[in-house]
Amino acid sequence: NAGVMQNPRHLVRRRGQEARLRCSPMKGHSHVYWYRQLPEEGLKFMVYLQKENIIDESGMPKERFSAEFPKEGPSILRIQQVVRGDSAAYFCASSPASGYNEQFFGPGTRLTVL
Amino acid sequence: LAKTTQPISMDSYEGQEVNITCSHNNIATNDYITWYQQFPSQGPRFIIQGYKTKVTNEVASLFIPADRKSSTLSLPRVSLSDTAVYYCLVGVPIKAAGNKLTFGGGTRVLVKP
Repeated sequence: NAGVMQNPRHLVRRRGQEARLRCSPMKGHSHVYWYRQLPEEGLKFMVYLQKENIIDESGMPKERFSAEFPKEGPSILRIQQVVRGDSAAYFCASSPASGYNEQFFGPGTRLTVL
Repeated sequence: LAKTTQPISMDSYEGQEVNITCSHNNIATNDYITWYQQFPSQGPRFIIQGYKTKVTNEVASLFIPADRKSSTLSLPRVSLSDTAVYYCLVGVPIKAAGNKLTFGGGTRVLVKP
């Protein structure tokens, strides 16, 4: 059973460009979470999604950031018009459908904004 | 959410036991204590969870006193590969669907040869 997959592992963007981060949850998992980690800090929750629904986006900036988890395909975290402050590691986690909340994390995408 | 406080860093040597204490004075009645481990350039990994007294698995032990205002993660006979950041989290149990995790700063454990 493959773990949580994230791609790309490393992403370099110039200021003003768009960044698209992809997350494929573990097989059978329908809950996806995105976290951001700045250097030397702990992870900060951004958004929690189930298939086709955003359940909790309380940690996501109101502007430039969006997330989706379509019926088919991976979850996407999109950052428009990136700025240097968006440089961070972005982790995706997944958990099974219900009754179990241990979150399984992917390897992360390291975004660098030049 | 209960706030957690843990040491910023700890050094140890191979073969020793490492104990990391986490303070959570405002823990709520329904809160569980969970520990995650994060290696450099990887996502965190669940280690252990408990509510009270002692929990042990193949990786670690978790000691929780009766007042539950603190907890201690114990790693027996560490090896170099145990060098990582260890996070103490307080909140809902793992057997509850769909809740965000709140990470603090963690404890950087360095195991030396």
